[in-house]
Amino acid sequence: GAGVSQSPSNKVTEKGKDVELRCDPISGHTALYWYRQSLGQGLEFLIYFQGNSAPDKSGLPSDRFSAERTGGSVSTLTIQRTQQEDSAVYLCASSPDSSGSTIYFGEGSWLTVV
Amino acid sequence: KQEVTQIPAALSVPEGENLVLNCSFTDSAIYNLQWFRQDPGKGLTSLLLIQSSQREQTSGRLNASLDKSSGRSTLYIAASQPGDSATYLCAVSNSGYALNFGKGTSLLVTP
Repeated sequence: GAGVSQSPSNKVTEKGKDVELRCDPISGHTALYWYRQSLGQGLEFLIYFQGNSAPDKSGLPSDRFSAERTGGSVSTLTIQRTQQEDSAVYLCASSPDSSGSTIYFGEGSWLTVV
Repeated sequence: KQEVTQIPAALSVPEGENLVLNCSFTDSAIYNLQWFRQDPGKGLTSLLLIQSSQREQTSGRLNASLDKSSGRSTLYIAASQPGDSATYLCAVSNSGYALNFGKGTSLLVTP
């Protein structure tokens, strides 16, 4: 596609529910990233996928968070038993490879936990 | 842990002025540094990417410099326009992929 596509663009969920956020990277990009941007906070690295290598999950804040990338393309970020502090914008990004090339971001999924 | 600081947090200038945004980082062993622009309610757009071996990059009215030894980068915007109004984010990578972001400088260019 023309850019990184994320869905849903907005999600309101009740505390305790599970949510899934989807990311469709730019075609041909082997690297995929998830970041979180909370109100008043900077962007926080969550997870990184590169090709078929094991992902770097070091930024995931708790075991309620998980992500997978199927077929080296689409990725899903899952948050189980959502809490109010999970409210944030979840940004996905992709790049052609892992060698420090330009990163392209999607417009984000705005999650509100009520 | 890499800490990235951006100064000022907010800046308002009249149209036509040249301006400088500052970024500092604590760990100089970086892989690269990127400047991004974020418009309200939108994702990030990459403006300039400086590899660790480079001193500066230019794109149109934008020029970014990198001084690894002092842990600093600047983004220079020439002849500012109202359309430049946005939040500008500096991000540093030590690993080649994971980015450490500053909290940004919110820029307003008034007509």
